[in-house]
Parts: sequence; C-alpha cells; structure tokens
Amino acid sequence: QITLKESGPTLVKPTQTLTLTCTFSGFSLSTSGVGVGWIRQPPGKALEWLALIYWDDDKRYSPSLKSRLTITKDTSKNQVVLTMTNMDPVDTATYYCAHSASSATMVRGVDYFDYWGQGTLVTVSS
Amino acid sequence: QSALTQPASVSGSPGQSITISCTGTSSDVGGYNYVSWYQQHPGKAPKLMIYDVSNRPSGVSNRFSGSKSGNTASLTISGLQAEDEADYYCSSYTSSSTLKVFGGGTKLTVL
Repeated sequence: QITLKESGPTLVKPTQTLTLTCTFSGFSLSTSGVGVGWIRQPPGKALEWLALIYWDDDKRYSPSLKSRLTITKDTSKNQVVLTMTNMDPVDTATYYCAHSASSATMVRGVDYFDYWGQGTLVTVSS
Repeated sequence: QSALTQPASVSGSPGQSITISCTGTSSDVGGYNYVSWYQQHPGKAPKLMIYDVSNRPSGVSNRFSGSKSGNTASLTISGLQAEDEADYYCSSYTSSSTLKVFGGGTKLTVL
C-alpha cells in the first residue's frame, strides 16, 4: 500500500525559503522506474507541476520556477524534499507530493501521478 | 493561462453521459499518447482516473473512459452518478522544455 504525506510550515514570510518534506511508504525510490513529483494548487485554481525526481537521481523542474526550486531524495529515510526560495504571496497554495509511474521508464516527463499525498496548505504572508 | 484548454464547466443528469475535452498542440496532446486525467473532490487530493490516453488504473470504474483525436483528448463518463460531481484535470507530456502540463480544470455538475 503506497502512501505519501507532506510536511512543512503552514506560514512563511515573503522572501523566505520554503522547505517541504514528502515522507512515503509502500515503495522504494531506488527501484527502477519510480519517481516522486511535487504539484501545487493555488486556492480555487488549477494544478501546476513543479518538479520530479527519479530513482536514478535525475531531477526535472518546471522551467518557470527552475531557478527557485531544488528537489532531493533520501532513499534511506523514504523522503523527498522540495525547497523553494524567495517565496511570494502568489506562491500561496496547497502543495502535493505524488508517486509517479510510466509505461516508458527511459523517457522522462511521460509519467502519471497514481498516488497522492493529502496536500499541505502553505500561506505566504508577512 | 494553462497550457491545455478545458471547458470551465460541464453538467449532466444522473444516468447520462458527458465528455470533457482537453485541447493542446502537436507538441503535447497531439504528438504523444501520454495524457492523464485526474478527479478532484473539494478539499481532497486529485485521484488518477485515466493514464496514457485510455488506460484505467485498477479500481477505477469502467464508466470512465479516455480517448484522443488530433490535438484533443477526451474524458467520457457514462451513467453519470452524483458522486462524479468534482473537478477534472487533464495532463500531458510536452516536448517543450516545460515537460509536463496540466489543463485549467473542468467543474462537473450532476444536476
């Protein structure tokens, strides 16, 4: 049974750095083909893909946010960490982590997200 | 503005069928068979309903089906039920540097 859960601050100030942790169980991020992604959703708005990290430590980022994002994994702890620098009120959103899978494991970005965490609402305000 | 275009809302009566469209370009929807669909109830995390255009994950009702024609993918829900009322999002791989895009979402109302 695959489960994921996001943790981190609920409130950050503008210009601060956000650090979110995704703790998962039921799979290993060292298994070929496996990935974990981050997706966010501003209140009342659509989903936005942020970043993906794969079992081989390949990392992919949304180009619009690439300069501000870092994704890392700790396989021994079953955790993936996302950091986002220079937070702004427009970054207020629910942040989700999700397990990714694909039918073409050697092609990056073709993944679908089959298991999701419950999400964590992050508010950016002074 | 989302990269994939979905209607803001659709509606249908119980028992009817509805279709939600997701329009992209030849760089994403039209060029590859990597379209997925997600259902999201208010206050809940998204749930995968369809992947790779037309594949249903285990446990998803066969009332949900996916297809694609040209640059437009579609999600069809047959035998509409009250529990189907939710927001639906499409997503696709894209050969642009963006890599992965979502649609703007469609609110399904069951009348």
